Amino acid sequence: ETGVTQSPTHLIKTRGQQVTLRCSSQSGHNTVSWYQQALGQGPQFIFQYYREEENGRGNFPPRFSGLQFPNYSSELNVNALELDDSALYLCASSLRGGGATSTDTQYFGPGTRLTVL
Amino acid sequence: QKEVEQDPGPLSVPEGAIVSLNCTYSNSAFQYFMWYRQYSRKGPELLMYTYSSGNKEDGRFTAQVDKSSKYISLFIRDSQPSDSATYLCAMGEGGGSQGNLIFGKGTKLSVKP
Repeated sequence: ETGVTQSPTHLIKTRGQQVTLRCSSQSGHNTVSWYQQALGQGPQFIFQYYREEENGRGNFPPRFSGLQFPNYSSELNVNALELDDSALYLCASSLRGGGATSTDTQYFGPGTRLTVL
Repeated sequence: QKEVEQDPGPLSVPEGAIVSLNCTYSNSAFQYFMWYRQYSRKGPELLMYTYSSGNKEDGRFTAQVDKSSKYISLFIRDSQPSDSATYLCAMGEGGGSQGNLIFGKGTKLSVKP
C-alpha cells in the first residue's frame, strides 16, 4: 500500500455531466500528478500540481482541470463529459526537493473508475 | 513512432521460469526509468526505479537500462503465480516530481502453476 487514497472508487455519469475526483497524497509528499488510463493502455499524463500550482500539462483539453490544497490533497474536475472519458483515473504523489536520499518517482493510488454513458 | 514501445503480450510462462520484459524508447533525454506492476483493476505499484544507465537488483527482480540502445529490461527470476499481472515501463526526462512520466502500454504476464 502506498498511502495514496482516491475517492470514489467507481462512478457512473452521463454524457455532458461534470465530475470531481479526489486524491490524498502519501504522507510527506508535496506533488500530485493525475493520469488517465483507458482499457488496455498505459496511463497518460493529464497534469501535475506542486505547491498548489499547475506544473505541467499533457495533451488534454481545458475541460480537464484540477486543484491542489494546502495539505497537498488534490481534485480532478472534468466538465462536459464525453463517452471517451470512460477510464481509470489515477492519482500519483511524489516528493520534490527530498534530497539525495529520496527516490524521485511517483507512487500511485488505486484509481477511480469512471464510466460515461 | 511512439515515444515508448512495449509488447503488450500476453506472455505465459510456467512457474519457476525466468521472465524477460522490455521496452524501447525514442527520446534520448529520458533519464529516469521505472517498472510498475499493475494487478487487474488496481493502481500501478512501483517495482524498480533506475536513474540513468546500469543494472539494479532487488530480490528476484533485475532492471537494466541501456541508454545507448534506448532499451530497458526487467527480469524476474523464479517466477511465481502471484507475479501474474500487467507490467508497465515508465520513463521521464526529469524525476517523478519534475514532470510527467511516459508509460508503455504494459505487458500482461501469466505465470502458470
